[in-house]
Amino acid sequence: QKEVEQNSGPLSVPEGAIASLNCTYSDRVSQSFFWYRQYSGKSPELIMSIYSNGDKEDGRFTAQLNKASQYVSLLIRDSQPSDSATYLCAVTFGGYNKLIFGAGTRLAVHP
Amino acid sequence: EPEVTQTPSHQVTQMGQEVILRCVPISNHLYFYWYRQILGQKVEFLVSFYNNEISEKSEIFDDQFSVERPDGSNFTLKIRSTKLEDSAMYFCASSDEGLSSYEQYFGPGTRLTVT
Repeated sequence: QKEVEQNSGPLSVPEGAIASLNCTYSDRVSQSFFWYRQYSGKSPELIMSIYSNGDKEDGRFTAQLNKASQYVSLLIRDSQPSDSATYLCAVTFGGYNKLIFGAGTRLAVHP
Repeated sequence: EPEVTQTPSHQVTQMGQEVILRCVPISNHLYFYWYRQILGQKVEFLVSFYNNEISEKSEIFDDQFSVERPDGSNFTLKIRSTKLEDSAMYFCASSDEGLSSYEQYFGPGTRLTVT
């Protein structure tokens, strides 16, 4: 059973701080890793993808992947109240395109 | 910016009825997907579709469900004989080819309520 695990939160950070979101996955043949943002009642919105070990930066977002530890994280710098949402980690396994989602971490950025 | 669209935004149906959920994927995308999210639960994969056939389906996607690409733009999910537990948000997604085929873009969803 392929699993993606996330801490449900809520993770509460002050405005301007760095938010750190974590995700672990169960299968070593995992290929592709994604972070989606989901506002309440809305659909998942792709914010980052990462395929190889190391860091990938896009604006205020940095994704970090460590395949040996089966761990992927998302850092959000200079957090804003508009970043308050649920962040979903998603993984593909083997040669398949289907996304396996974690349950999500709820982030609350307070002014 | 191109986006996935879905209709209707909300569908209410009685148990036992058939519903068709419609999606228009991003125009140059080749892979299409349906996911669902029961209230308060994870997003779950249902089915993927490529080159006019199902490429993968989950255990949830049994004979009650079917997908179709009736023309060059629409992608539909049919649910026959709906049950109360089919109530959920249904999301369509699409992706390009190559490495980008893994980057899936989601539509706004259809909220299905079965009474």
